[in-house]
Amino acid sequence: AQSVTQPDIHITVSEGASLELRCNYSYGATPYLFWYVQSPGQGLQLLLKYFSGDTLVQGIKGFEAEFKRSQSSFNLRKPSVHWSDAAEYFCAVDSTGNQFYFGTGTSLTVIP
Amino acid sequence: NAGVTQTPKFQVLKTGQSMTLQCAQDMNHEYMSWYRQDPGMGLRLIHYSVGAGITDQGEVPNGYNVSRSTTEDFPLRLLSAAPSQTSVYFCASSYAGLAASGANVLTFGAGSRLTVL
Repeated sequence: AQSVTQPDIHITVSEGASLELRCNYSYGATPYLFWYVQSPGQGLQLLLKYFSGDTLVQGIKGFEAEFKRSQSSFNLRKPSVHWSDAAEYFCAVDSTGNQFYFGTGTSLTVIP
Repeated sequence: NAGVTQTPKFQVLKTGQSMTLQCAQDMNHEYMSWYRQDPGMGLRLIHYSVGAGITDQGEVPNGYNVSRSTTEDFPLRLLSAAPSQTSVYFCASSYAGLAASGANVLTFGAGSRLTVL
């Protein structure tokens, strides 16, 4: 069965600092990979996605993620965090186009 | 553009009551799905549908029923609510079967918070 692991439940960073959120997946082939963000009381918004090709993908709000096949990872990064980035971040996997599996999420706190 | 619309936003039920969470999308998406979100558990897939008349179970289908009579609507039914079904429910839709083209990006509704007493 597929699984998605986000090992960090909660991360706190200072505004302006860099950020990396970790995501590992378990699947036999290369799945389709996503990062979503959820602001408090809201639905989920797509940040970026990886389907094929260049393993470094750019998303909205200055986020990027790198797919590393050898490590089964798809870590999310941002060079300089803004206070408005405080939210919950979810990594997701889709192998068939019909079933999306989500990680348990990483909650980000940004301190001034 | 309305996108994915969920109703109601909040609902309180007593154990054993039934109710239906409504989900409608206006993007002509073939794929629709229901998730529940619980603290520390992330989002777990309940049921999904790849088109009108076609539904299938996800990770946690027990206690929930779905039907898909039209492309636009995908209601989630709780026939006999239990406290374990207290959760936030999200409906999401996308184009189906187009993963390789990059089109299968989920669009989420705003969520429905359900409390079962």
